[in-house]
Amino acid sequence: DTGVSQDPRHKITKRGQNVTFRCDPISEHNRLYWYRQTLGQGPEFLTYFQNEAQLEKSRLLSDRFSAERPKGSFSTLEIQRTEQGDSAMYLCASSPDNYEQYFGPGTRLTVT
Amino acid sequence: DQQVKQNSPSLSVQEGRISILNCDYTNSMFDYFLWYKKYPAEGPTFLISISSIKDKNEDGRFTVFLNKSAKHLSLHIVPSQPGDSAVYFCAASVQSGSEKLVFGKGTKLTVNP
Repeated sequence: DTGVSQDPRHKITKRGQNVTFRCDPISEHNRLYWYRQTLGQGPEFLTYFQNEAQLEKSRLLSDRFSAERPKGSFSTLEIQRTEQGDSAMYLCASSPDNYEQYFGPGTRLTVT
Repeated sequence: DQQVKQNSPSLSVQEGRISILNCDYTNSMFDYFLWYKKYPAEGPTFLISISSIKDKNEDGRFTVFLNKSAKHLSLHIVPSQPGDSAVYFCAASVQSGSEKLVFGKGTKLTVNP
């Protein structure tokens, strides 16, 4: 078991560009979560999946953000028309039902 | 509106002494609480949790205490070690650790040799 992995670890993009991040959860974890963390803050919930179904989305997730989890395995988070305010660490976590969440190392996004 | 508050941004203790990290919450619906530790350039690592039906949970050097009436929990680390130096996040959820988590802003713990 290699833990939750995220790719890329770092992404620098220009304002207005689209970016996509990938998360591979721990195998057999049916729940997958996305959080965002900015400097000096704790992680903030964005969305989560149970298998391939997206069960909840935060109001932080504007219509420029979309997340998918095809076939209930890996997940992608896409941000369209990036803005400087999107600069943050994007964290992915996974868990089985009724167990604690295990986090990946995060993808640090910088929008210039 | 911060539903989970960690009012101390930083804490410094001597190796071997006790570290006490505090957390307050405002949402009465929260009934499951967790502590995560985070090193720079890594994701948060789960440490210990407690359900609202308990008032204490212990795991080795780590103990979490929950006072539901005061909406307060604390993490005790005894004895503190230099490797414990990290940012500690308190988190809360409804029902279990696999529901969405609401995090505090974190407390940076420094354990001095």
